[in-house]
Amino acid sequence: GDSVTQMEGPVTLSEEAFLTINCTYTATGYPSLFWYVQYPGEGLQLLLKATKADDKGSNKGFEATYRKETTSFHLEKGSVQVSDSAVYFCALSDVWANNLFFGTGTRLTVIP
Amino acid sequence: DAGVTQSPTHLIKTRGQQVTLRCSPISGHKSVSWYQQVLGQGPQFIFQYYEKEERGRGNFPDRFSARQFPNYSSELNVNALLLGDSALYLCASSRLAGSQETQYFGPGTRLLVL
Repeated sequence: GDSVTQMEGPVTLSEEAFLTINCTYTATGYPSLFWYVQYPGEGLQLLLKATKADDKGSNKGFEATYRKETTSFHLEKGSVQVSDSAVYFCALSDVWANNLFFGTGTRLTVIP
Repeated sequence: DAGVTQSPTHLIKTRGQQVTLRCSPISGHKSVSWYQQVLGQGPQFIFQYYEKEERGRGNFPDRFSARQFPNYSSELNVNALLLGDSALYLCASSRLAGSQETQYFGPGTRLLVL
């Protein structure tokens, strides 16, 4: 079945450090891939997405590239800020199912 | 434009009771999905509705049911509540029901079952 495996946290970084959060997936079809972010006390917000292999999603300095050969969609940011502190969820939507499959989430804390 | 709205924001129930959660999608969106997020975990899919028809159902017991109204708003009902139903219930809407559609989430309803 479809699943997402996400890098376990929590992750603590200093401001301006480089961020990578690993995400790999298993899917029967050709999924669309998403990164969502959840700030404390809030719902999920879409951060970026990619719908086919080799696509790169980007938003607010975050990037992720859809790698079909490694079934991965790692999230990166070159210089994190304190305001990036949140929980990040990798998710997929398989062509055969309209619902999202989420990873367990990675909590990021950025310290000044 | 208003985002996805959910009501109530918080709810406390006791075991065995029934609960109804409500969701209004973004204007123009015809698909609504429901997810359960237990503390410390990722959201789990419960239902998807599109044009008032059920399009998908996750691995949840029959105590969970939902419906979508002609104005595309939706209700999630949970009967015979258990302690394990305590969670954040998220509603998401999208224009259509395809896999490439972006789902936009509401703030959630936090349910506590005592």
